[in-house]
Amino acid sequence: GAVVSQHPSRVICKSGTSVKIECRSLDFQATTMFWYRQFPKQSLMLMATSNEGSKATYEQGVEKDKFLINHASLTLSTLTVTSAHPEDSSFYICSARAWGGVVVDTEAFFGQGTRLTVV
Amino acid sequence: AQSVTQLDSQVPVFEEAPVELRCNYSSSVSVYLFWYVQYPNQGLQLLLKYLSGSTLVKGINGFEAEFNKSQTSFHLRKPSVHISDTAEYFCAVKSNSGYALNFGKGTSLLVTP
Repeated sequence: GAVVSQHPSRVICKSGTSVKIECRSLDFQATTMFWYRQFPKQSLMLMATSNEGSKATYEQGVEKDKFLINHASLTLSTLTVTSAHPEDSSFYICSARAWGGVVVDTEAFFGQGTRLTVV
Repeated sequence: AQSVTQLDSQVPVFEEAPVELRCNYSSSVSVYLFWYVQYPNQGLQLLLKYLSGSTLVKGINGFEAEFNKSQTSFHLRKPSVHISDTAEYFCAVKSNSGYALNFGKGTSLLVTP
């Protein structure tokens, strides 16, 4: 199956600093990428959907100025957590849908996730 | 909008016993259904999916699920579990016109000797 690589897998940062998380599709072109957040023992909550070359669409309640998403190419999307605070500590997961896939072809491929800890 | 309910937050089971993880969904439109597995501190791996056709879907690692439209269910089953099946399992739904997946809250499967 297709491979999505997410980096870094773990990051610890100081409160007030910014952290960038990368999501790359290694063997396919991803027109659409999704960013999820997962709190301990809870499900994945969709944060935003990004399409290559356009602005991301954020879910209700997600601060777009805090969680900056860039999808500048068909193989790379980045999530930057700006001015991170301890409450931003979470597990962030990206997924990517292949270019050319019609909507009915559903499979999105997931990255390995990034464990962010803000101290 | 679609939503998913996973009725059991935790399911303990002995090794080699059968297991069923329950999933119910609600939607006013046709949907596609998925089961994913997540090991600690890892991303999600697709176990199986139902798009159309046969309602009994077979996936990886010996898992299968049955789509029941009248009961709006998509329960996951395995006839004999292994210790290595211990993980978090997520049921997800997507409409045939949408892009993102809606996930259930997950079921933690714990397999003990």
